[in-house]
Amino acid sequence: GENVEQHPSTLSVQEGDSAVIKCTYSDSASNYFPWYKQELGKGPQLIIDIRSNVGEKKDQRIAVTLNKTAKHFSLHITETQPEDSAVYFCAAGFGNEKLTFGTGTRLTIIP
Amino acid sequence: NAGVTQTPKFRVLKTGQSMTLLCAQDMNHEYMYWYRQDPGMGLRLIHYSVGEGTTAKGEVPDGYNVSRLKKQNFLLGLESAAPSQTSVYFCASSYSSGGAIEQFFGPGTRLTVL
Repeated sequence: GENVEQHPSTLSVQEGDSAVIKCTYSDSASNYFPWYKQELGKGPQLIIDIRSNVGEKKDQRIAVTLNKTAKHFSLHITETQPEDSAVYFCAAGFGNEKLTFGTGTRLTIIP
Repeated sequence: NAGVTQTPKFRVLKTGQSMTLLCAQDMNHEYMYWYRQDPGMGLRLIHYSVGEGTTAKGEVPDGYNVSRLKKQNFLLGLESAAPSQTSVYFCASSYSSGGAIEQFFGPGTRLTVL
C-alpha cells in the first residue's frame, strides 16, 4: 500500500517569514495530493490540493508543488501570520478514493 | 448545513466495556470513513464505506466494527475496549467522483480507555 512520509514534525518560524513542509510518497499510482490544516480541538480541514497533471498550484499565501518523478510534494506558506499556527497533514490518494496521511507537522508562528 | 457531526465528543470507558460512536453527515455523500489519530502517527484509516449497506477494512481494523444502515450515518463500534484504543476518532465523508477527492471531517471524539 501507499506510504507517506512528512517532514519536519515540528516547525517554528518568525511571523512574516515563509514555512515549507515536505512529503514523499511511495505509490506511483497516486494522483491526488491534498493538504489539511487542523486547529486545536477541531477536525482537519482541506486548505489546498493538487492533482498529478499539475506541477504547482497557488491560493493567496499558500502554494503546493509536486514532483512526480521524485515522488514528493511540498506546502509553502508565505508571509506567515499567527493564525497559521496549527498542525498540517499531507496525504496521497488514487482511484479507490482512500487517502493515506502523513504524520503531521506542528507549525508555530512566533510573533 | 451541519456538515459532519460526531456523537459523543468525549467518553471514558473501562477495559472490556463496549460503546458505539455515531457519525452523521447531511451532504448526501456516498463515501464515509473512520480514522483514529494518535500522537506522531497521523490519521490512520480504520474502516470505510462506499455506500449504504457496504463496509470495508482500512489500515487498522482490528477491535472495531462498523455499520452503514443509512446513507447519512456511519457507526463505529468497540465490542471490548482496550487501553490501546485510547485515541481521538474522526469521521469523514466525501462524494463519489471515480477517484480520490476532498474528505470533510467531523470535530472528533476523544476516547479514553482505562
